[in-house]
Amino acid sequence: SQTIHQWPATLVQPVGSPLSLECTVEGTSNPNLYWYRQAAGRGLQLLFYSVGIGQISSEVPQNLSASRPQDRQFILSSKKLLLSDSGFYLCAWSSPRRDSSPLHFGNGTRLTVT
Amino acid sequence: AQSVTQPDIHITVSEGASLELRCNYSYGATPYLFWYVQSPGQGLQLLLKYFSGDTLVQGIKGFEAEFKRSQSSFNLRKPSVHWSDAAEYFCAVGSILTGGGNKLTFGTGTQLKVEL
Repeated sequence: SQTIHQWPATLVQPVGSPLSLECTVEGTSNPNLYWYRQAAGRGLQLLFYSVGIGQISSEVPQNLSASRPQDRQFILSSKKLLLSDSGFYLCAWSSPRRDSSPLHFGNGTRLTVT
Repeated sequence: AQSVTQPDIHITVSEGASLELRCNYSYGATPYLFWYVQSPGQGLQLLLKYFSGDTLVQGIKGFEAEFKRSQSSFNLRKPSVHWSDAAEYFCAVGSILTGGGNKLTFGTGTQLKVEL
């Protein structure tokens, strides 16, 4: 069966520091991968998605970037964190088929920028 | 562009009572619809999905949802709520992204509280 791992679970970082959140998927090949951010009372916002190694699409302009160095690894990064980057970050994967397969989420990372 | 509205931010029900969480969507084509549940500090778990066919779909944990095209709704129901159902519930509509991949657009969620 497929599993998704996301770490760390909690992170407190000062403003201006770098960020690296990692997500890996097991039990499937060539998954679609996603980074979402969840802010209180605002639902989930899609930040990045990837349909293959080295391919990244950004949904919203922001202080963050994403990379996919391996088929089942997805990394969310920032060179200098802003206070507004605080939030709950969720990684997800879906079937590589083009139809609207459901997304399967990791347990998330709570990021607090101080 | 697609959108999802969950008009109820908070709902409180007694254990054993029935539950209905409302969801309205806006989408130009036949929608793919989903309900997810999130416990505090956790990721989202898929409850059920609608792609086509029977408009009443069954999910996990005794939940069901009914797709009503005429009302652009996809309400979630459960006949008898358990205390463990207390969580936040998200409705989502799916669409195909340019270049492949699927985008889920989520509502802002409904927080369910269960009174014992």
